[in-house]
Amino acid sequence: EAQVTQNPRYLITVTGKKLTVTCSQNMNHEYMSWYRQDPGLGLRQIYYSMNVEVTDKGDVPEGYKVSRKEKRNFPLILESPSPNQTSLYFCASSLLTVDLQNTEAFFGQGTRLTVV
Amino acid sequence: AQSVTQPDIHITVSEGASLELRCNYSYGATPYLFWYVQSPGQGLQLLLKYFSGDTLVQGIKGFEAEFKRSQSSFNLRKPSVHWSDAAEYFCAVAPTGTASKLTFGTGTRLQVTL
Repeated sequence: EAQVTQNPRYLITVTGKKLTVTCSQNMNHEYMSWYRQDPGLGLRQIYYSMNVEVTDKGDVPEGYKVSRKEKRNFPLILESPSPNQTSLYFCASSLLTVDLQNTEAFFGQGTRLTVV
Repeated sequence: AQSVTQPDIHITVSEGASLELRCNYSYGATPYLFWYVQSPGQGLQLLLKYFSGDTLVQGIKGFEAEFKRSQSSFNLRKPSVHWSDAAEYFCAVAPTGTASKLTFGTGTRLQVTL
């Protein structure tokens, strides 16, 4: 089954304690990205990657890091989490293609992070 | 830069009534447009997408959307709403040529009364 898998689904942590949220896709997609969802703000892109070892900032990158060492994995790293990073996080992947029929972003189930 | 506006934060309709969710976009060229649905506790599921051609697009679950270039709109419609349609709906835009760099609207939460 084609899917994007995030772990963990729920996480409560304390300010300053480094954490990693994993994301893995099994569709051989080149493009992967992270979004955060906040009430009244919709989804905002944090970072994206167009292929292995190619990453770039999205709209709200401050306080986050990513890496893309393998095509299937795109972990999100919070080196020193703060309460304003409490949010719902989504990983997404898609093909970089001109085939419009296959142009679609697939999303993970989400990770609800609380930083106290 | 591209942007999306969903003017309605919350909409309530009765089961069986028709539905229209509004979406306006800002983009210099013809964008790629999407509607996603997020059920409680779930990820986002694609309802439909528009790239070019016929301006009326059919999607899953009985939804359709109409692209109106003159109004920069891409409104989502359903003739008869079911209680299971209660969810949050997001309109999104991507630059021509890719569906990857999505910009989302703030979402519309749909409540369905029985």
